[in-house]
Amino acid sequence: DQQVKQNSPSLSVQEGRISILNCDYTNSMFDYFLWYKKYPAEGPTFLISISSIKDKNEDGRFTVFLNKSAKHLSLHIVPSQPGDSAVYFCAASPDRGSTLGRLYFGRGTQLTVWP
Amino acid sequence: DVKVTQSSRYLVKRTGEKVFLECVQDMDHENMFWYRQDPGLGLRLIYFSYDVKMKEKGDIPEGYSVSREKKERFSLILESASTNQTSMYLCASSFGGALYGYTFGSGTRLTVV
Repeated sequence: DQQVKQNSPSLSVQEGRISILNCDYTNSMFDYFLWYKKYPAEGPTFLISISSIKDKNEDGRFTVFLNKSAKHLSLHIVPSQPGDSAVYFCAASPDRGSTLGRLYFGRGTQLTVWP
Repeated sequence: DVKVTQSSRYLVKRTGEKVFLECVQDMDHENMFWYRQDPGLGLRLIYFSYDVKMKEKGDIPEGYSVSREKKERFSLILESASTNQTSMYLCASSFGGALYGYTFGSGTRLTVV
């Protein structure tokens, strides 16, 4: 059973506009959330993260919002650039404080940014 | 920077062959993971290890085994390759805890014919 869900397999956005990628989770024990970006033929790379004690984290053009009551997080990219075109994976962990830190991944959203 | 190296980028194997996928990390990470990525299914955890000679099953361990004889090396073994194991295989390592996230290798695209 998928504990982390990305219900939109794809998203197409014009360059300069905002991209919003959504992620829902079912496990209330998740307390740390990450976004990874993956280009074809490469491994995923870490993009941004957020702890459950926060509702927003910003890093340059990327902002992640967390709504714990709705078990929902979103990644905003502003402004979107063609180089942002990639698959974005949402991930969650129930054990921020443990040494293992197993991550549960969503199925990914393919973002395409067109000129 | 942490480096996770997967020995092959592309592999083609025949049905029934025993296949070894190798992964090496160079930053003394305790935890190592094997995932497969398939279109529409995302990243699915096959096996992971949190110490030398320790291993734990992930969500889809059937048809696979692993070996971790040294801290830096984590091998995925397909005992008898089948066509439904055609996939992108990704190795990852982590220092400890979700706070540090994972570092992934570049992946091995395995085709079983």
